[in-house]
Amino acid sequence: GNSVTQMEGPVTLSEEAFLTINCTYTATGYPSLFWYVQYPGEGLQLLLKATKADDKGSNKGFEATYRKETTSFHLEKGSVQVSDSAVYFCALSSDGEYGNKLVFGAGTILRVKS
Amino acid sequence: DAMVIQNPRYQVTQFGKPVTLSCSQTLNHNVMYWYQQKSSQAPKLLFHYYDKDFNNEADTPDNFQSRRPNTSFCFLDIRSPGLGDAAMYLCATSSLAGDTGELFFGEGSRLTVL
Repeated sequence: GNSVTQMEGPVTLSEEAFLTINCTYTATGYPSLFWYVQYPGEGLQLLLKATKADDKGSNKGFEATYRKETTSFHLEKGSVQVSDSAVYFCALSSDGEYGNKLVFGAGTILRVKS
Repeated sequence: DAMVIQNPRYQVTQFGKPVTLSCSQTLNHNVMYWYQQKSSQAPKLLFHYYDKDFNNEADTPDNFQSRRPNTSFCFLDIRSPGLGDAAMYLCATSSLAGDTGELFFGEGSRLTVL
């Protein structure tokens, strides 16, 4: 079945450091790929998405490129801020007869120190 | 501006006392989802509606039920909450029109069971 594997956390960085959170997936067909962010006590917010191979999703300085050859969708940011501290979930969308379903990775906690 | 609204944000109940969580949406999406998210874990899909068609995940306990009286509203009923049901419950919606598979989440309802 479809699955998502992302690097374990927590990831602790100093402000302005470079961020990479690895994500790989297993899927049949051509799923859409997503990164969602969850701030403490809140629901999930879409951070960025990519719908086909070689697409690059970007938002708020974060980027991820859909790599079909390596089945990866790694999240990167050149310079993190304290406000980026949150849990990041990689996800893929699997088509169902009755609507899409999101399959999530386990989440990676990011802590940014000032 | 809120598009997916969950109530209440925080719910405290006693062991075995039924609870209902509600979700409303202004997006006119035809698919609505309920996810359960336990502490430090990925969201887990309980069930979803495609219009009025109910789709249960195979491992969702019978203790969890859902109702969707119209396009805008969806309810999660927990008939006899146990301590293990304490979690954040997330409602989400999606549209199959122009579909990229993206889900739109509410802010969640956090359930505490005493």
